[in-house]
Amino acid sequence: DAGITQSPRHKVTETGTPVTLRCHQTENHRYMYWYRQDPGHGLRLIHYSYGVKDTDKGEVSDGYSVSRSKTEDFLLTLESATSSQTSVYFCAISQDKSGPQHFGDGTRLSIL
Amino acid sequence: QQQVKQSPQSLIVQKGGISIINCAYENTAFDYFPWYQQFPGKGPALLIAIRPDVSEKKEGRFTISFNKSAKQFSLHIMDSQPGDSATYFCAASSNYGGSQGNLIFGKGTKLSVKP
Repeated sequence: DAGITQSPRHKVTETGTPVTLRCHQTENHRYMYWYRQDPGHGLRLIHYSYGVKDTDKGEVSDGYSVSRSKTEDFLLTLESATSSQTSVYFCAISQDKSGPQHFGDGTRLSIL
Repeated sequence: QQQVKQSPQSLIVQKGGISIINCAYENTAFDYFPWYQQFPGKGPALLIAIRPDVSEKKEGRFTISFNKSAKQFSLHIMDSQPGDSATYFCAASSNYGGSQGNLIFGKGTKLSVKP
């Protein structure tokens, strides 16, 4: 399995609070991604990174920000969590932009 | 244009049978088509992938069939086993444009293989 660790694995928080999810990789892959998975929607890309300090928006980026200060870490922040952001969040990594992506085991986030 | 449409939503197959999941796309720039398998509580795992220069790719019991003119691709699971019960996602990406390499996923198919 690709060395991807997501933390925390589960989190419950309240509307309006900031939340940060962490993705850590040991594969030294250049590309990192954050997805959310919701029933009936499959996986949707939130943000991605193509290098340290290089990030871009995905399909559903509103309400989310990211940072990548080291190759191995990619952080996803919900500035002010809303109930619509209750979801399972997955991090993925890839060596090449158009190559295979490998996923972590996800963070289940509940916003009450 | 960016959508990948996957069907069926759910599928029940008897042990030993063939499972078939279909995906269709509109964007002719797509040039990478992977399939992912996901078990409950785990992340999606890459199962098999194809590029449009071939019409079929087989890995063990899993085969991707690709029809470029129809803009369709499908996953066939031969001799389906209860351990294959999972959710399967197709995806597509393009090497061109601003979203270069970003995967677009289908909505998933929940497969149940009955003993």
